[in-house]
Amino acid sequence: RKEVEQDPGPFNVPEGATVAFNCTYSNSASQSFFWYRQDCRKEPKLLMSVYSSGNEDGRFTAQLNRASQYISLLIRDSKLSDSATYLCVVKGGPDKLIFGTGTRLQVFP
Amino acid sequence: EPEVTQTPSHQVTQMGQEVILRCVPISNHLYFYWYRQILGQKVEFLVSFYNNEISEKSEIFDDQFSVERPDGSNFTLKIRSTKLEDSAMYFCASSAYYEQYFGPGTRLTVT
Repeated sequence: RKEVEQDPGPFNVPEGATVAFNCTYSNSASQSFFWYRQDCRKEPKLLMSVYSSGNEDGRFTAQLNRASQYISLLIRDSKLSDSATYLCVVKGGPDKLIFGTGTRLQVFP
Repeated sequence: EPEVTQTPSHQVTQMGQEVILRCVPISNHLYFYWYRQILGQKVEFLVSFYNNEISEKSEIFDDQFSVERPDGSNFTLKIRSTKLEDSAMYFCASSAYYEQYFGPGTRLTVT
């Protein structure tokens, strides 16, 4: 099983749609989880950390299910500027981040 | 908003040559990292650095790689004898504790 697994997409959605991405991780001892976004040929940008209780930042909601080793990201009211690759990231040790391959989102007018 | 900076943005080198990639982490951060991303692949951890020493490294980070913090602001990655397969985007990151922030990357092309 891959350390961090994501559906590569692409997800093609119209502006205003709600879209959800899922991610699974293999190491049950993992303690920290993040969503990053990456635009083409740019650096990963931290979108949000994922807390056990779930957390929301504007149109973005992240959820963690430790029992199922599953993380999700919900984007409401999609904007054209949300088009990017969304990276599920798990802290794999004291320092290193383990990245998924990413899920590509394309929002169309 | 403070950010991580990296130079150069693009480096072309010949196989067997040494390259040094430079990074200036966010000023109050104490943990520094290098990652790489081969075109079309996922981001991979190389090494972490804290308190002037390597704290963790991956199996990719072999003897041809080294890191240094030569002064109070720069953090460098040296690749001693580059190979074709070292061609990738190299990202520096820094953190104060928990969340890591990435620089814009150096695209390394080995010919």
